[in-house]
Amino acid sequence: VVLTQSPDTLSLSPGEGATLSCRASETISTDYLAWYQYKPGRAPRLLIHGASNRAAGIPDRFSGSGSGTDFTLTISRLEPEDFALYFCQQYSVTPVTFGPGTKVEIK
Amino acid sequence: QVQLVQSGAEVKRPGAPVKVSCQTSGDTFFNAYIHWLRQAPGQGLEWMGIINPSSGATTYDHNFRDRITMTRDTATTTIYMEFDSLTSEDTATYYCARDPGGYHYFDLWGQGTLVTVSS
Repeated sequence: VVLTQSPDTLSLSPGEGATLSCRASETISTDYLAWYQYKPGRAPRLLIHGASNRAAGIPDRFSGSGSGTDFTLTISRLEPEDFALYFCQQYSVTPVTFGPGTKVEIK
Repeated sequence: QVQLVQSGAEVKRPGAPVKVSCQTSGDTFFNAYIHWLRQAPGQGLEWMGIINPSSGATTYDHNFRDRITMTRDTATTTIYMEFDSLTSEDTATYYCARDPGGYHYFDLWGQGTLVTVSS
């Protein structure tokens, strides 16, 4: 399953909202789609699993939605620590696959 | 604080093997699965395989099956990934990651181990 993310880069200011897209080349059954945050030199951080379930300790400004082939990660109000790379992962089919990521940068 | 702690960066000659370790907690070791993934420079993440630390059972991706071995040490709750016959294309950051329920998503990651293959 090939995952495509858009846009490649989002340039936003703190306090603004962000909408990130992840599109799959085929239907992801049971909404087995996860989102991660990555900062260079640090371990990736699970944000969302099952398309819309926030992982433990993740602030409620992060939300996931979608089904089938189209999924969205929304960050309602960007905090300074949210500027990072975000990538999606499908785990409906083995081998699991990952999207290339969307970079959220400070405008 | 629960962590996965990986061994340090490695520089290897082509054809050599590398062995990367992933130190876990007892709870993780006996109640979760550990996967290995890698990311080459400028490339996306690639899944390499999974080990059930409790039983030692493994499944490897077909792309790596001939060269990879995942093992574990129950006394130290450490997972190992050995990768043979390295080439320059294996230069990448290698991650271990915890799968809490066998669903193949990852709720905890190691910090990554950079393996550089160079003559």
